[in-house]
Amino acid sequence: SAVISQKPSRDICQRGTSLTIQCQVDSQVTMMFWYRQQPGQSLTLIATANQGSEATYESGFVIDKFPISRPNLTFSTLTVSNLSPEDSSIYLCSVAQEPHTEAFFGQGTRLTVV
Amino acid sequence: KQEVTQIPAALSVPEGENLVLNCSFTDSAIYNLQWFRQDPGKGLTSLLLIQSSQREQTSGRLNASLDKSSGRSTLYIAASQPGDSATYLCAVMKKSSGDKLTFGTGTRLAVRP
Repeated sequence: SAVISQKPSRDICQRGTSLTIQCQVDSQVTMMFWYRQQPGQSLTLIATANQGSEATYESGFVIDKFPISRPNLTFSTLTVSNLSPEDSSIYLCSVAQEPHTEAFFGQGTRLTVV
Repeated sequence: KQEVTQIPAALSVPEGENLVLNCSFTDSAIYNLQWFRQDPGKGLTSLLLIQSSQREQTSGRLNASLDKSSGRSTLYIAASQPGDSATYLCAVMKKSSGDKLTFGTGTRLAVRP
């Protein structure tokens, strides 16, 4: 299994600012993903973080709003830009060591925008 | 489009009871199905992974089954405890999805002492 450290665990941000979330894994992983969980709902995939290249975004999510970096096989960041109250959610990093294998999740980042 | 549904949405049982959570999915072309537990405001803990070629997996008091042809999975929890109280999510990995997970709507479980 992979141990994932996600920071911060929670934050309260002002409208119009940005928050960067970090995901650090204790071993090299092939697959890294970022999910969003809006209040009372299930998880929705934001994007696949690709090492050394641009992330692959799902329909409804754009790079300007959710820029993602993945400089190596153990680390990724998600930035949520130009925050609005609608961005208040839990954001989760997920990894898998190899394709088609078990997915592991970080502890999540609870974002509240005021 | 893959849709994943979980029934019931919420469940309250007395401690010690055995219970079954249900997950159904529309597209049977999957690599695997995974069950997770989520405590309020927290991340997801992986409970069981069933590959598409498998029928069931067991871990302690948990047993998960998979019937790919009918698009169903069940999570059986034996001798439930108050510490089992959480939201349980199932997720499928579609063969066409590049390892992305499609999540169900979740079952919120409360086990009463």
